[in-house]
Amino acid sequence: KQEVTQIPAALSVPEGENLVLNCSFTDSAIYNLQWFRQDPGKGLTSLLLIQSSQREQTSGRLNASLDKSSGRSTLYIAASQPGDSATYLCAVNAGGGNKLTFGTGTQLKVEL
Amino acid sequence: EPEVTQTPSHQVTQMGQEVILRCVPISNHLYFYWYRQILGQKVEFLVSFYNNEISEKSEIFDDQFSVERPDGSNFTLKIRSTKLEDSAMYFCASSVDTWGNQPQHFGDGTRLSIL
Repeated sequence: KQEVTQIPAALSVPEGENLVLNCSFTDSAIYNLQWFRQDPGKGLTSLLLIQSSQREQTSGRLNASLDKSSGRSTLYIAASQPGDSATYLCAVNAGGGNKLTFGTGTQLKVEL
Repeated sequence: EPEVTQTPSHQVTQMGQEVILRCVPISNHLYFYWYRQILGQKVEFLVSFYNNEISEKSEIFDDQFSVERPDGSNFTLKIRSTKLEDSAMYFCASSVDTWGNQPQHFGDGTRLSIL
């Protein structure tokens, strides 16, 4: 059974810092990995999708990497801003109806 | 940008009552999903749906749950006889394909409160 873990559970950084969020998964047989952002009481906003054949994806200040063999992904956020404050979730798609298995998330707070 | 819309945003229901949660997926998407998130817990997969059939369902999706695409735009989740433990945020999602090339897009969710 696929298990997804995210470390740290919470993170507080001053504005402008670069930061890394970690995601690990137990079964390396995946189709893709997706990073989401969740604001309080809101839905999930898709940030990046990395296919199993890819090593990284970039969108603006965000860069996600994937090491399938070791079961790890990282989300790098450059020059963090207060507007980046949210919970970040990673989710693994291991096929079988395309279901996503989610981690518990990292709650990020970027302070002025 | 097209988005998944869900109604209602908040539903309060007495235990034992039936509830229907509604979703309008992105118009050119063919694959639809329901997830739920109990307060403070992980987002959990419930069911995936394609071509008017369930593709996969989780252990949570028992006989009390059903899904339907009643017309060309709506996708619904029905809970026949609600329990207290059904209280959660329910998210609908859709995607263009299931081959891992395109992301799933989520709605803002319906908060279901069972009294």
